[in-house]
Amino acid sequence: EVQLVESGGGLVQPGGSLRVSCAASGLTVSSNYMNWVRQAPGKGLEWVSVIYSGGNIYYADSVKGRFTISRDNSKNTLYLQMNSLRAEDTAVYYCAKGGDGYNFAFDFWGQGTLVTVSS
Amino acid sequence: QSALTQPRSVSGSPGQSVTISCTGTSTDVGGYNYVSWYQQHPGEAPKLMIYDVTKRPSGVPDRFSGSKSGNTASLTISGLQADDEADYYCCSYAGRYIVIFGGGTKLAVL
Repeated sequence: EVQLVESGGGLVQPGGSLRVSCAASGLTVSSNYMNWVRQAPGKGLEWVSVIYSGGNIYYADSVKGRFTISRDNSKNTLYLQMNSLRAEDTAVYYCAKGGDGYNFAFDFWGQGTLVTVSS
Repeated sequence: QSALTQPRSVSGSPGQSVTISCTGTSTDVGGYNYVSWYQQHPGEAPKLMIYDVTKRPSGVPDRFSGSKSGNTASLTISGLQADDEADYYCCSYAGRYIVIFGGGTKLAVL
């Protein structure tokens, strides 16, 4: 059974940094294209970043230059390093697996971790 | 990277059908057959309902169907059930390995 478990969320001041993690079981992170998707409180979904099995990485314009996606194959874990955080980055951050044969669609999601950027 | 346009809310009675629209541009919805739809109940993670415009993942009832015409994609739910009450989001590939979501539609089953 595929499970994605996010952790590392919390309260951080504007301009600060935080790293959230997504521990995977039932799948191999390095063999899939893994994404981060966020949802501000009471708002819609926003795609943030993707890392492909081959290592190619892409970001939404809203986070480019501030966020870094990575993975640790030995721990089967996906990460999102977030720097220069702003109030508008406040959201639940979900990791989501890209579906095999599903073009740019996400077939498994974690339960999310809340990141709050506030002074 | 502007969000796709969805109606804020739709409603229907049990047993009826509803359609949720998702309007983009020729550089996203209209340019690729890579539209997906997600159902999200309060406090839960999204669930994939439709991918590649019309395809259903295993386990999704055939009451859910997708289509596309030009720059607008649609999700139709037939035989509405109480548990269909949720938020629904469309999503489209927008080129350069970027995907964008719609603003979401709240479905009320009256």
